[in-house]
Amino acid sequence: QSVLTQPPSVSGTPGQRVTISCSGSSSNIGSCPVNWYQHLPGTAPKLLIYNNNERPSGVPDRFSGSKSGTSGSLAISGLQSEDEADYYCAAWDDSLNGHWVFGGGTKLTVL
Amino acid sequence: QLQLQESGPGLVKPSETLSLTCTVSGGSISSSSHYWDWIRQSPGKGLEWIGSIYYRGGTYYNPSLKSRVTISVDTSMNQFSLKLTSVTAADTAIYYCARDPISSGWHDSFDIWGQGTMVTVFS
Repeated sequence: QSVLTQPPSVSGTPGQRVTISCSGSSSNIGSCPVNWYQHLPGTAPKLLIYNNNERPSGVPDRFSGSKSGTSGSLAISGLQSEDEADYYCAAWDDSLNGHWVFGGGTKLTVL
Repeated sequence: QLQLQESGPGLVKPSETLSLTCTVSGGSISSSSHYWDWIRQSPGKGLEWIGSIYYRGGTYYNPSLKSRVTISVDTSMNQFSLKLTSVTAADTAIYYCARDPISSGWHDSFDIWGQGTMVTVFS
């Protein structure tokens, strides 16, 4: 059971906008920024969003993040077939001397 | 461009110790702006953070693994290492090392990852 809760799967058609939620608690998302990672099979995970809504250089602006209270959200607009991947949220957790926590991951299927 | 590369045995026997090393190239591990982390993914499961180390040796560990994990750093070799004791089949996973920038005094993200190395616990 992951500390952060994500839906197991989401789907959309090319061009659509999809969102993935990430629910946490006061000790993690409620007090620290949330990050998002894209993970394609056989490759290393890639940082998509950090500090709730900032994109590293090279990440398309189709990807955006937000945070409200103890929940974060990743939005992908203009869905493309290459966006089909697993997406993970993560946040630092202040409890127990501090540690990183991940969501269980969301499989995005582009129909 | 900074790169990370994991290395170590791909097979470990149950009850033994898993040992991996991450070599940092294209940059220094002795950075005051970064932690260095280990993360794993078991087959069919999600990402699990194992622990972090600062170049001066300060560490943070996953509470659920803390009793079995030791992360160390060798600044002269620009490497950091993972030891996981008393392994079982549940420790079979792809193990990644990653860079963890410090922002406003806190762990920020995992911005650079190694390619990962598969470790199988198998008798």
